[in-house]
Amino acid sequence: AQSVAQPEDQVNVAEGNPLTVKCTYSVSGNPYLFWYVQYPNRGLQFLLKYITGDNLVKGSYGFEAEFNKSQTSFHLKKPSALVSDSALYFCAVRDPTDNYGQNFVFGPGTRLSVLP
Amino acid sequence: DTAVSQTPKYLVTQMGNDKSIKCEQNLGHDTMYWYKQDSKKFLKIMFSYNNKELIINETVPNRFSPKSPDKAHLNLHINSLELGDSAVYFCASSQVEGPNQPQHFGDGTRLSIL
Repeated sequence: AQSVAQPEDQVNVAEGNPLTVKCTYSVSGNPYLFWYVQYPNRGLQFLLKYITGDNLVKGSYGFEAEFNKSQTSFHLKKPSALVSDSALYFCAVRDPTDNYGQNFVFGPGTRLSVLP
Repeated sequence: DTAVSQTPKYLVTQMGNDKSIKCEQNLGHDTMYWYKQDSKKFLKIMFSYNNKELIINETVPNRFSPKSPDKAHLNLHINSLELGDSAVYFCASSQVEGPNQPQHFGDGTRLSIL
């Protein structure tokens, strides 16, 4: 069974500085990896995904993530953080053989605070 | 227009009651889901349904039952509510053509059991 770990409950970064939110995964075979963001009192919003190809994936709002197969990681990054990026971020992994979403596993979430 | 909409947004009720949460998606997606997010923000899938097949997470109590009147709706019925059912419940949808499709989430229903 697949699993996702987000080792940091909370990440604090100053506005304008680069940010990284970490994610590691465990899955048999090649994973499908996703990042979602959740703002207060809202549902999760899709940011980006890695399916195959280039290890650096670009997504919404200037975010990108780097897939590293040897380290089984998929860290989310942004070159210059904004106060409006403050939110809860979820990494998720999915089994490529799963067509019904039953094995869509989310990490525990990391709260990002960008300080002005 | 909201892609995935849930009603009500807030639901406060007493232990032992039966309640329903409605979900509608206007994306034309084939698969819909229900998730439970607990007080620590941990997100767990409860059901997935693709208008032919219901897949249930084995840890979900049988007091919870999804009902789909049509492809665009997946409502969640909960019988004999318990204190531990207090959580935020999210509906989501995705196209079924492959597991590489992201899911689209509603804004959640905050259920509070008194």
